[in-house]
Amino acid sequence: SQWGEENLQALSIQEGEDVTMNCSYKTYTTVVHWYRQDSGRGPALIILIRSNEREKRSGRLRATLDTSSQSSSLSITAAQCEDTAVYFCATTGYQNFYFGKGTSLTVIP
Amino acid sequence: DTTVKQNPRYKLARVGKPVNLICSQTMNHDTMYWYQKKPNQAPKLLLFYYDKILNREADTFEKFQSSRPNNSFCSLYIGSAGLEYSAMYLCASSRSGCQDTQYFGPGTRLLVL
Repeated sequence: SQWGEENLQALSIQEGEDVTMNCSYKTYTTVVHWYRQDSGRGPALIILIRSNEREKRSGRLRATLDTSSQSSSLSITAAQCEDTAVYFCATTGYQNFYFGKGTSLTVIP
Repeated sequence: DTTVKQNPRYKLARVGKPVNLICSQTMNHDTMYWYQKKPNQAPKLLLFYYDKILNREADTFEKFQSSRPNNSFCSLYIGSAGLEYSAMYLCASSRSGCQDTQYFGPGTRLLVL
């Protein structure tokens, strides 16, 4: 399996709180993708971080990558109700693309 | 337009019967992928086409077939559906290879009875 630790299955937070989701992977990768999937829709890329980057920001999103520990995190600052979704991290291998199980995030108003 | 379309959105099939799912994209992407997703599991890559070259995962090699008659269309074919095939099937495309952003369709929910 590509994955080490399993991702958290479900998180529930209050609106306005910060949240961090983690994932770890086993094999070498040059890119970690973070996708979000809304109910009834396919996954959509929200942020991508490359192996030569330690941190990447996009609006309220912040991704980190630690290639030495083969782990990545996605943080959302001041979560809003519309952030409710399932979040997946994914890594690319040779001619393959591996998704983690995902984290179901619920933001409560 | 970054839309990937899938048809049908819902499919009911009988055990032992064939199933054919369709995906299309108009972004002129080189690569098209098919994933299977079951509840509480990660999407699992089944196969992908890079241009006209089909790559199938070893553990699903004999279970799924695919064709790509042109750049825009890609099908996923199950010759004889079993109960274990019930899942969401996601199609995606990317400009080039696996390193690129993948754009996903809404999925086809397959239920085998």
